[in-house]
Amino acid sequence: QKEVEQNSGPLSVPEGAIASLNCTYSDRGSQSFFWYRQYSGKSPELIMFIYSNGDKEDGRFTAQLNKASQYVSLLIRDSQPSDSATYLCAVISAGNMLTFGGGTRLMVKP
Amino acid sequence: NAGVTQTPKFQVLKTGQSMTLQCAQDMNHNSMYWYRQDPGMGLRLIYYSASEGTTDKGEVPNGYNVSRLNKREFSLRLESAAPSQTSVYFCASKASSYNEQFFGPGTRLTVL
Repeated sequence: QKEVEQNSGPLSVPEGAIASLNCTYSDRGSQSFFWYRQYSGKSPELIMFIYSNGDKEDGRFTAQLNKASQYVSLLIRDSQPSDSATYLCAVISAGNMLTFGGGTRLMVKP
Repeated sequence: NAGVTQTPKFQVLKTGQSMTLQCAQDMNHNSMYWYRQDPGMGLRLIYYSASEGTTDKGEVPNGYNVSRLNKREFSLRLESAAPSQTSVYFCASKASSYNEQFFGPGTRLTVL
């Protein structure tokens, strides 16, 4: 079982809709959670991090964490075609190492 | 501020050849990392260096060696390349007091 699981997609949403990206993790002791965006052929860039249960909002992005369910999600409101990318969930787990999920490809259609 | 730089951007090797991927950062970060990214696999950690003078194995170290030349530079060496090492390689760095890793632009390696 992979330590960090994501649906590979593609997730297709119309422009202006809410995109919901989900991630589950296996290490119950994980404390820090990250969402990276990666455009095709480019390197990952950090867009959100969350450490505490609940919601964290930054502009059109909201990260949600539920440690009891070992579940972290990313909501993108008012999705734009420029949001089309692969979104990588990452978790700091045993040994203080960052473990990545396989990524979810998001397509926002005009 | 260039951030994290990697050379080369692209490389084609034949099976058994060797090469070194170079990485440098100008952010005065203590920690540096080498990842490989294969389709659908996310990024997997090959080796890391928590500080100058130290290196440790990650999830997939076999077939690779690293050198932390100084605080700025962290190189990855393939001694005898194999087709299974065809991948995109990313270098990253991180300050000690923060969790954010900054990534270089990547090296696309093909082993024939």
